[in-house]
Amino acid sequence: SYDLTQPPSLSVSPGQTARITCSGDELEDKDAYWYQLKPGQSPVLVIYQDTKRPSGIPKRFSGSTSGNRATLTISGTQAMDEADYYCQAWDSGTVVFGGGTKLTVL
Amino acid sequence: EMQLVQSGLEVKKPGESLKISCEGSGYTFSNYWIGWVRQMPGKGLEWMGVIYPGDSDTRYSPSFQGQVTISADKSISTAYLQWRSLKASDTGIFYCARGTEGFRYFDLWGRGTLVTVSS
Repeated sequence: SYDLTQPPSLSVSPGQTARITCSGDELEDKDAYWYQLKPGQSPVLVIYQDTKRPSGIPKRFSGSTSGNRATLTISGTQAMDEADYYCQAWDSGTVVFGGGTKLTVL
Repeated sequence: EMQLVQSGLEVKKPGESLKISCEGSGYTFSNYWIGWVRQMPGKGLEWMGVIYPGDSDTRYSPSFQGQVTISADKSISTAYLQWRSLKASDTGIFYCARGTEGFRYFDLWGRGTLVTVSS
């Protein structure tokens, strides 16, 4: 089965840049997607097709890929960005999620 | 406004059956895949499977094949996730989500249904 690997946690100070990585075999050949999940709320798609931002998502959220790694970057991180972030890919007809990264803004 | 509205909290005993629902509105329900995603307590997201309400084409994650049944009734814009015999390990939050580009990703999510299975 296909696996996506994320760091379990990341801490940044307000105003700093947060970079959350997601690694998987041949990820460069697949599209990566990113979701934000806050306690008690629905997951929110923040990046699709590696780099695209859905309408309503702040410009401080961006996505990139390099080799077998996708990165979600949050520039000028705000307290409201504290959440769990999950990457996702589609492989051979199945949906695969990374293990999630807990972003703490302190 | 496009939304997916899920059924409410469920508290069940091991061995009981359960069917939870996800009603779509604000878009043509039958034209988009609906996926189900599990989040066990303190754990990450796991894809369970998807259904295309237009023709009830259903795909399951190998991890959930045979463990749950996904169905849909396009006449009432509702998808379902069903268990025949619950186990304590089925405890979790279950999200439904609308698939895009087939079901390559999910652009609209429900708020989740919390299922607690305990004796």
